[in-house]
Amino acid sequence: QSVLTQPPSVSAASGQKVTISCSGSSSSIGNNYVSWYQQLPGTAPKLLIYDNNKRPSGIPARFSGSKSGTSATLAITALQTGDEADYYCGTWDSSLRVVVFGGGSKLTVL
Amino acid sequence: QVQLVESGGGLVKPGGSLRLSCGASGFTFDDYYMNWIRQAPGKGLEWISCIGSSGHAIYYTDSVRGRFTISRDNARNSLSLQMNSLIAEDTAVYYCARNPVRITSLGLVNPIWNFDLWGRGTRVTVSS
Repeated sequence: QSVLTQPPSVSAASGQKVTISCSGSSSSIGNNYVSWYQQLPGTAPKLLIYDNNKRPSGIPARFSGSKSGTSATLAITALQTGDEADYYCGTWDSSLRVVVFGGGSKLTVL
Repeated sequence: QVQLVESGGGLVKPGGSLRLSCGASGFTFDDYYMNWIRQAPGKGLEWISCIGSSGHAIYYTDSVRGRFTISRDNARNSLSLQMNSLIAEDTAVYYCARNPVRITSLGLVNPIWNFDLWGRGTRVTVSS
């Protein structure tokens, strides 16, 4: 069981918007930055969002992140079939003194 | 080319040992903390260990502490993970990943806990 809670699966139609939630605690999300990762089938994860809402160079503006209290959200607009992947949130847990990840959310583009 | 390349995975019997390596290129290796993150078959990501840029700061998750040892050689731009007393639950793809640091106004080096570069992974299977 993961320290951060994500929905196992999400889906939306091509061209639409989807959001993925990530719920934690005061010692994890509540007091630390959140990052998001995209893992396409058969590949290594890739950083999508860091410091809650910043995008690394090369990541399209269709991907955005936000944080409120002990929860974070990844939003993807203008969905494409190429966005089908597993998405993970991650952060530091100040009490456990480890990096924690969510269990991952599988995105299906209908 | 900025990249991380893992090696050393394979099939090992329960109770056995294995040493993973990760070679870095294209960036200043000792500017970064380095990590091992694993993914069991069909499962999510699990962070297991981190080592600071100079090698002095070391972190482990509870499930591997005392069995695994992380180390780095900044002269050779390499990261290692010595895995002993392996169990079936250690079966996974092992990724090395870097995380950046932030230097405070007091000159302290603090890790920033996001992973901006990953290797392609090396597969470890623990089975009799």
